[in-house]
Amino acid sequence: EAGVAQSPRYKIIEKRQSVAFWCNPISGHATLYWYQQILGQGPKLLIQFQNNGVVDDSQLPKDRFSAERLKGVDSTLKIQPAKLEDSAVYLCASSPANYGYTFGSGTRLTVV
Amino acid sequence: EDQVTQSPEALRLQEGESSSLNCSYTVSGLRGLFWYRQDPGKGPEFLFTLYSAGEEKEKERLKATLTKKESFLHITAPKPEDSATYLCAVQAEDSSYKLIFGSGTRLLVRP
Repeated sequence: EAGVAQSPRYKIIEKRQSVAFWCNPISGHATLYWYQQILGQGPKLLIQFQNNGVVDDSQLPKDRFSAERLKGVDSTLKIQPAKLEDSAVYLCASSPANYGYTFGSGTRLTVV
Repeated sequence: EDQVTQSPEALRLQEGESSSLNCSYTVSGLRGLFWYRQDPGKGPEFLFTLYSAGEEKEKERLKATLTKKESFLHITAPKPEDSATYLCAVQAEDSSYKLIFGSGTRLLVRP
């Protein structure tokens, strides 16, 4: 089966600019997650969707981050405005229920 | 607060030199403990899920074990292709099924 697709693979922006990441999960997977992985650390959950509803966004910095999952399939994560500390890899993962995560390769964001 | 601590941060082994990676955790109630492998520039790749103390799982040169406070990933006779970062994560019973990750152990196996 096809894996979790993410784009772009890399992005370099200046601080205070905006950026968006896209994720296409594995077909049929109801649950979608966005994780942030800062260099040298483990991934940290930003937001979890069940179909197109938000289950957990307790660690999403809502003053600058937003995410949506239209029609329960693809998802976008947006940062506006970006800060230097947002430099990280943004990982999307999906699962058919609430186990068996499959991660995408991630988008590496550098804020300068 | 649910927490995962992995040790050592980095490990260098000679090919064929067996060793173990440690994952200590505190969680209100454990639903599952997960091991992932992450290669540079890639997302984490699933290895094992353990659900209860005493459980063990094996895959090729890797064996994962679980107690009530920690998990070990044993690597037997490693090869250079086992070089990667190994991540441990827990899922709490009362959570939204999110994974709480440790910072990982960077393993380098030299030929």
